[in-house]
Amino acid sequence: DIVMTQSPDSLAVSLGERATINCKSSQSVLYSSNNKNYLAWYQLKPGQPPKLLIYWASTRESGVPDRFSGSGSGTDFTLTISSLQAEDVAVYYCQQYYTTPRTFGQGTKLEIK
Amino acid sequence: QVQLVQSGAEVKKPGASVKVSCKASGYTFTTYAVHWVRQAPGQRLEWMGWINPGNGNTKYSQKFQGRLTITTDTSASTAYMELSSLTSEDTAVYYCARAGDTGDYLLYWGQGTVVTVSS
Repeated sequence: DIVMTQSPDSLAVSLGERATINCKSSQSVLYSSNNKNYLAWYQLKPGQPPKLLIYWASTRESGVPDRFSGSGSGTDFTLTISSLQAEDVAVYYCQQYYTTPRTFGQGTKLEIK
Repeated sequence: QVQLVQSGAEVKKPGASVKVSCKASGYTFTTYAVHWVRQAPGQRLEWMGWINPGNGNTKYSQKFQGRLTITTDTSASTAYMELSSLTSEDTAVYYCARAGDTGDYLLYWGQGTVVTVSS
């Protein structure tokens, strides 16, 4: 199984400041034939289902604010929130969909400082 | 618009089975796989398996092999997840989800079903 490891486990950032979450996979999730990274980011708030933010490592889902961005390739990925808003308080998960079983990171809890 | 509506909360005794439904609407049900993902208290999201409603093919996480059965009723555009031999470690929120149009990232999610296993 591909193990997904996020860092940090929790993060406190001031409103308007940048938040950065890292995700590392135990093997590459880059498919060479199409040069796509099979990596997604989700936001999870209490009482709600996960919300897809980013797919293909860097493609923002429609309707997701442009302060959210994804980067990285191969085994190392980053989710960046450029200017933290109060509604961004949540737990964030990375997930690989390169192979089965699909696997998620352990989550990063983002709070306001 | 795409919607996935799941059945309600369940309370089960250890050793019992639970069957959760996921009714899809807003798209052609047989065109997209339905995934099942769960989250136990304090744990990460955990992928359980998927089914291709078009041909009935399934793929399960090895962790659940022998205990998990995913089925569909295409006439009702509904997928089912049945988990047997429940223990307290199966207490979790269970989600069904559907992929996007261009890849197997999970774009659409059901609202979640709380399953509590308690004696």
